[in-house]
Amino acid sequence: DGGITQSPKYLFRKEGQNVTLSCEQNLNHDAMYWYRQDPGQGLRLIYYSQIVNDFQKGDIAEGYSVSREKKESFPLTVTSAQKNPTAFYLCASRNRGGGNNEQFFGPGTRLTVL
Amino acid sequence: KNEVEQSPQNLTAQEGEFITINCSYSVGISALHWLQQHPGGGIVSLFMLSSGKKKHGRLIATINIQEKHSSLHITASHPRDSAVYICAVRMNTGFQKLVFGTGTRLLVSP
Repeated sequence: DGGITQSPKYLFRKEGQNVTLSCEQNLNHDAMYWYRQDPGQGLRLIYYSQIVNDFQKGDIAEGYSVSREKKESFPLTVTSAQKNPTAFYLCASRNRGGGNNEQFFGPGTRLTVL
Repeated sequence: KNEVEQSPQNLTAQEGEFITINCSYSVGISALHWLQQHPGGGIVSLFMLSSGKKKHGRLIATINIQEKHSSLHITASHPRDSAVYICAVRMNTGFQKLVFGTGTRLLVSP
């Protein structure tokens, strides 16, 4: 089945530790996105990548880093510099072709920093 | 003021009721999405529309581009419709990012 997988579903880390969230898609989509969701707020864009080996900062990139070495993978690292890392993280992907292509979402990873 | 506003924030209904969720936006868009998020957190796309009306089963989505307003209707609501419904607009500038509303939490009781 085609889709987006994120692992793990729940992640616990101690304060000060870096942690990497996995996102893999087999939809052959060019563009991939990372969003953060906090209670009472809409999803906010952390980073996006429109093509392999290229990525751009979104609205709240501070304290995060990404890589896009393969088309199907877009891991997100939450560094110790991120002041408030506890949140729900969603990965998404989309085809860059012409027209309004639908964006597909992964199941999310809930990160709790203790 | 948020670029995408949804109302109501919370909605409770009895099974069988007709439900309407509203979304207003203030930016130029190329498309509007209605998304459903279940308690587990995963998000499913319900509709993507840029004009008129779309229907899928008991769900209907409409958009009025001139008034910058969209509605999501659920006919004959059922407890399994209980979820958070999110409106998101695809901006027609820059790299066309999605801007999300804060969601409407719907609870349908038997």
